Amino acid sequence: DAKTTQPNSMESNEEEPVHLPCNHSTISGTDYIHWYRQLPSQGPEYVIHGLTSNVNNRMASLAIAEDRKSSTLILHRATLRDAAVYYCILKRTGAGSYQLTFGKGTKLSVIP
Amino acid sequence: EAGVAQSPRYKIIEKRQSVAFWCNPISGHATLYWYQQILGQGPKLLIQFQNNGVVDDSQLPKDRFSAERLKGVDSTLKIQPAKLEDSAVYLCASSLEPGSGEQYFGPGTRLTVT
Repeated sequence: DAKTTQPNSMESNEEEPVHLPCNHSTISGTDYIHWYRQLPSQGPEYVIHGLTSNVNNRMASLAIAEDRKSSTLILHRATLRDAAVYYCILKRTGAGSYQLTFGKGTKLSVIP
Repeated sequence: EAGVAQSPRYKIIEKRQSVAFWCNPISGHATLYWYQQILGQGPKLLIQFQNNGVVDDSQLPKDRFSAERLKGVDSTLKIQPAKLEDSAVYLCASSLEPGSGEQYFGPGTRLTVT
């Protein structure tokens, strides 16, 4: 399976935008880019996913590079509740397993 | 809409004892997953069910772990006998279909083996 690379940790000030990077240089054409986050003492929570085009939802935006070898999760205005571990995951569709393969993710700290 | 329910939330057992975890997925979700999350790591898939059939159990240590989803709804995960290295959070997740974009996770069961 194609792997992702994320920074171990990042910090952001409250109410400022946050850009969480993810590198996936071995991505294949059928891999969707998924983002989940895990708040302390909770199960992971779906954030957003995309294939080629940039995506927006109520939680965040996903910017995908033109060559798809990297992507960025954008939180437009960080709040204390956004402090969590953010996982960038490649999910292959079509024939084969649909499992999510989690890495260690990026631990985001939000400073009041 | 009710979320994924898991019980118990916490369990402490001694090594070589047995333990069982229960999961009730979101109503109508055909696919159910069990993950193991060791402290400091991301979750690792143990087993995936589609209705009451196993789709993927390649990472389940079958000598001590077992799981079932008899009626295609609730599921139980059992460990017998437990080892110290089984100390982890056990997460259950469900999705409408295996290929759907979003998995919904429960709060997990924190297992401590002493």
